[in-house]
Amino acid sequence: DIQMTQSPSSLSASVGDRVTITCRASQSISTYLNWYQQKPGRAPKVLIYAASSLQSGVPSRFSGSGSGTDFTLTISSLQLEDFAIYYCQQSYITPITFGQGTRLEIK
Amino acid sequence: EVQLVESGGGLVQPGGSLRLSCAASGFTFRNYWMSWVRQAPGKGLQWVANIKQDGSVKKSVDAVKGRFTISRDNAKNSLYLQMNSLRVEDTAVYFCASLGHWGLSGISYFESWGQGTLVTVSS
Repeated sequence: DIQMTQSPSSLSASVGDRVTITCRASQSISTYLNWYQQKPGRAPKVLIYAASSLQSGVPSRFSGSGSGTDFTLTISSLQLEDFAIYYCQQSYITPITFGQGTRLEIK
Repeated sequence: EVQLVESGGGLVQPGGSLRLSCAASGFTFRNYWMSWVRQAPGKGLQWVANIKQDGSVKKSVDAVKGRFTISRDNAKNSLYLQMNSLRVEDTAVYFCASLGHWGLSGISYFESWGQGTLVTVSS
């Protein structure tokens, strides 16, 4: 199975900050990497697919990059509604696997 | 508007069975791969199973192989998960999700999600 490791596991930041979350795969997955946001009691929502493609309707302050084993999700200027848990996920091979999540909290 | 509505969750004893359903609307259900993803209380996301548009291909995580069966009825726009021999560690919110695909690359992602249904396995 491909292991997905996110860092950090939690992060405190302020409104307006630029934030970067990283995701590392245990083997190369090309750009078969997606990012999700989940708020408490809600279903996850896709933000970025194929490593860098912005899902329709997602604000442009979200961006993704990377290929192979190392990927990043960047939020250019944090808004109040961005405080949530973020997950990366690989779709290169089954079993599909997720990172453990990064909790983004208000400082 | 795309809608996925899960039902069928509840409390069941270890070793018992449960059948989850997911009713889809707002998109052409028969054109999409569909999935189940679960989330144990306070934990992260775990993919459970996928099924191809016509039901001819099914894949699942090792932890549920031989116990869970994914199926679909395209005439009813519905996805199912038959869960047998349930274990305490199967306790989770179960989400159904549609799989989007990016171009011809084969890159897939969980595009739309239901609100989830809670399955609790406990004596």
